[in-house]
Amino acid sequence: DTEVTQTPKHLVMGMTNKKSLKCEQHMGHRAMYWYKQKAKKPPELMFVYSYEKLSINESVPSRFSPECPNSSLLNLHLHALQPEDSALYLCASSQDPRQGAFEQYFGPGTRLTVT
Amino acid sequence: QKEVEQNSGPLSVPEGAIASLNCTYSDRGSQSFFWYRQYSGKSPELIMSIYSNGDKEDGRFTAQLNKASQYVSLLIRDSQPSDSATYLCAVNSPNSGYSTLTFGKGTMLLVSP
Repeated sequence: DTEVTQTPKHLVMGMTNKKSLKCEQHMGHRAMYWYKQKAKKPPELMFVYSYEKLSINESVPSRFSPECPNSSLLNLHLHALQPEDSALYLCASSQDPRQGAFEQYFGPGTRLTVT
Repeated sequence: QKEVEQNSGPLSVPEGAIASLNCTYSDRGSQSFFWYRQYSGKSPELIMSIYSNGDKEDGRFTAQLNKASQYVSLLIRDSQPSDSATYLCAVNSPNSGYSTLTFGKGTMLLVSP
């Protein structure tokens, strides 16, 4: 089973709203990722959690706030977003990067529109 | 700066033909190589991974890796219209125990009936 789930599928929010994106995996993976993908561009890495600790923050603006409550869950809290933040937000997980297992499996994504 | 280069396409092939997708990478320390398929409006789906020089076959897909030339390719035999998608090449480089992928910009494949 290589399933990563994400909710919601679609989200429309105003620039003053606060919302959260959720991601879940039950594969026992120990690394989880948030990516942002704009149309006709490759995924762009935002954050990496390894063993539930934030390992990489790719200089993402503070209006995006990640959280990893446990090894299966990953959240992305959104606040005061800009219209240019509209994109497909992808969650991914990988088994154990410390053991050389680098294959990342993506969830279906959340299509975010900021109005 | 780690770079992964792909021809953006579109690569057009007739149904039943072999589609050949190519990718070059700049980081000689790269160790793992992946091909993802992404349909329009959907998320990337991992279809092949390759770790050592040579060929790896899985059904109609063959991944080829040449680390000396820093080149990785994906062959799709007996191409079907359902193979029409963007194919992303991704390369992993060691990073203190973290797994980060550098993606190419993707090649759009169009398979005509």
